[in-house]
Amino acid sequence: AQTVTQSQPEMSVQEAETVTLSCTYDTSENNYYLFWYKQPPSRQMILVIRQEAYKQQNATENRFSVNFQKAAKSFSLKISDSQLGDTAMYFCAFGETSGSRLTFGEGTQLTVNP
Amino acid sequence: DAGITQSPRHKVTETGTPVTLRCHQTENHRYMYWYRQDPGHGLRLIHYSYGVKDTDKGEVSDGYSVSRSKTEDFLLTLESATSSQTSVYFCAIGTGTYEQYFGPGTRLTVT
Repeated sequence: AQTVTQSQPEMSVQEAETVTLSCTYDTSENNYYLFWYKQPPSRQMILVIRQEAYKQQNATENRFSVNFQKAAKSFSLKISDSQLGDTAMYFCAFGETSGSRLTFGEGTQLTVNP
Repeated sequence: DAGITQSPRHKVTETGTPVTLRCHQTENHRYMYWYRQDPGHGLRLIHYSYGVKDTDKGEVSDGYSVSRSKTEDFLLTLESATSSQTSVYFCAIGTGTYEQYFGPGTRLTVT
């Protein structure tokens, strides 16, 4: 079974600054996917970014990028130029290739301050 | 918008009563999932389906059953609701490229 750990229950950042959210995971699989989801106060789960384990290049989506370290089983999310709308709970998730199931971490509550 | 709806969006029920939550998709995806979200636990998989009449258990399946008689609908049933099943329930679809897209959630309170 896979486990996902987010060690930072809460974080805060000033508007326009950069923040990094941490995630580590444990698995015996070699092929898998990793995701970051955002859950704003509306409660809707929104996919932010995905990373394929077989790709060495770190994924980037506009202001969001990841630092994927496969050997260390680490998958952090960097948010650049933070905006007030980035305030949300962020979940790291491990995706199995068999059954396409996701295992989620406990989440990090990010607050962007004006 | 991945075309996923959940009904009802909110429900209050009494302990011991049966409850059915419905998830409906408009995009004909094969995989569908039910999760529950509780403080301190993130989202945990209850059951999932990989086709009509094909379902399997997830991490927290005790006390829940599912059915999928049509591609577009995935039902989650609590046969006899308990207070420990008070939670927010999310349905998701798998697109075939391993990411999942979520419905808006159902807040269930068991009194």
